[in-house]
Amino acid sequence: AQSVTQPDIHITVSEGASLELRCNYSYGATPYLFWYVQSPGQGLQLLLKYFSGDTLVQGIKGFEAEFKRSQSSFNLRKPSVHWSDAAEYFCAVGERNTDKLIFGTGTRLQVFP
Amino acid sequence: DAGITQSPRHKVTETGTPVTLRCHQTENHRYMYWYRQDPGHGLRLIHYSYGVKDTDKGEVSDGYSVSRSKTEDFLLTLESATSSQTSVYFCAIRESTDTQYFGPGTRLTVL
Repeated sequence: AQSVTQPDIHITVSEGASLELRCNYSYGATPYLFWYVQSPGQGLQLLLKYFSGDTLVQGIKGFEAEFKRSQSSFNLRKPSVHWSDAAEYFCAVGERNTDKLIFGTGTRLQVFP
Repeated sequence: DAGITQSPRHKVTETGTPVTLRCHQTENHRYMYWYRQDPGHGLRLIHYSYGVKDTDKGEVSDGYSVSRSKTEDFLLTLESATSSQTSVYFCAIRESTDTQYFGPGTRLTVL
């Protein structure tokens, strides 16, 4: 069965520091991979997605993620965090040609000035 | 913005009462989904629909039913609400690119 693990429940960084949020998945083939962000009291906004091709994908708000098949990982990165990036981040995996997404439990990012 | 609205946005109800949440979309997407979000669990799929009158169960479907009588509306019903159904409920649509987009959510409290 598919599963997604986000090992870090809560991360705190200083504004301007670099960021990496971890995501590991379990799936037999190459999945669809997504990162969503949720600000407090809001819905989920798509940051970026990977379907195929270049394993480094660029998203909105200066985020990028790299698909590493050998590590079953899809980590999210940003070189310099802004206070407005404080939110909860969800990694999700989708099986090709099915209807469902499996979500990780999320990582809450706190940004200190 | 994928043209998704949810109503109500907030609701407080009592145990044992029926509750219906509505998801409305304006862009004629075939696939629609209902998730619940709880701390420590992320989002979990309740039910989904792949067309008018075509629905299927998700991971946490017990205690919930759905209906889709027209493309734009997907209803989630709690026949007899319980405190364990206190949650935030999100509706989503899936575009042809296999990407899901989410509505703003409904916060439901069952007392």
